[in-house]
Amino acid sequence: GDSVTQMEGPVTLSEEAFLTINCTYTATGYPSLFWYVQYPGEGLQLLLKATKADDKGSNKGFEATYRKETTSFHLEKGSVQVSDSAVYFCAQTGGGNKLTFGTGTQLKVEL
Amino acid sequence: DTAVSQTPKYLVTQMGNDKSIKCEQNLGHDTMYWYKQDSKKFLKIMFSYNNKELIINETVPNRFSPKSPDKAHLNLHINSLELGDSAVYFCASSQDQETGWNGYTFGSGTRLTVV
Repeated sequence: GDSVTQMEGPVTLSEEAFLTINCTYTATGYPSLFWYVQYPGEGLQLLLKATKADDKGSNKGFEATYRKETTSFHLEKGSVQVSDSAVYFCAQTGGGNKLTFGTGTQLKVEL
Repeated sequence: DTAVSQTPKYLVTQMGNDKSIKCEQNLGHDTMYWYKQDSKKFLKIMFSYNNKELIINETVPNRFSPKSPDKAHLNLHINSLELGDSAVYFCASSQDQETGWNGYTFGSGTRLTVV
């Protein structure tokens, strides 16, 4: 079945460091791919998405490129801030617009 | 206006009790969902309704029963609460569309603690 694999956390970085959170997917067909962010005490919010191969989603300085050849959708940011501390979820669509989520990766950014 | 609103935000109750969590969306979306998030942040889908019709019913104890009185509401009733039911429950909604789909809009969650 469809599944999404994310790197385990927590990921701890200093402010202004470069961020990569790995995500790979397994799906038949051509899923849409998403990154969601969950700040402490809140629900998940859509961060960015990509709907076809080689698309790049971007928002708030975060980027992710849909790589069909490596079935990956890694999240990157060039310079993280303390306010980016959150849990990040990678997700893919399945049948009927159902989303399959990864296990989440906690990011902690320190001064 | 909150797009997907859940009540209550916090719920502390004793084992064996019956409780309900309510969810409403004002986005005009066609599909609504309930997810359970455990202490390790893992998200598990429980139910999905499309226009008041149940379309996803994952392996969930039958103590959990969803109710959708109309397209904008999906409530979750839990009977005979157990310690293992303690978690954060999220409601979400999405629009049915073939292209440009924007995924789910989530509520802010209900933290259920069973003591």
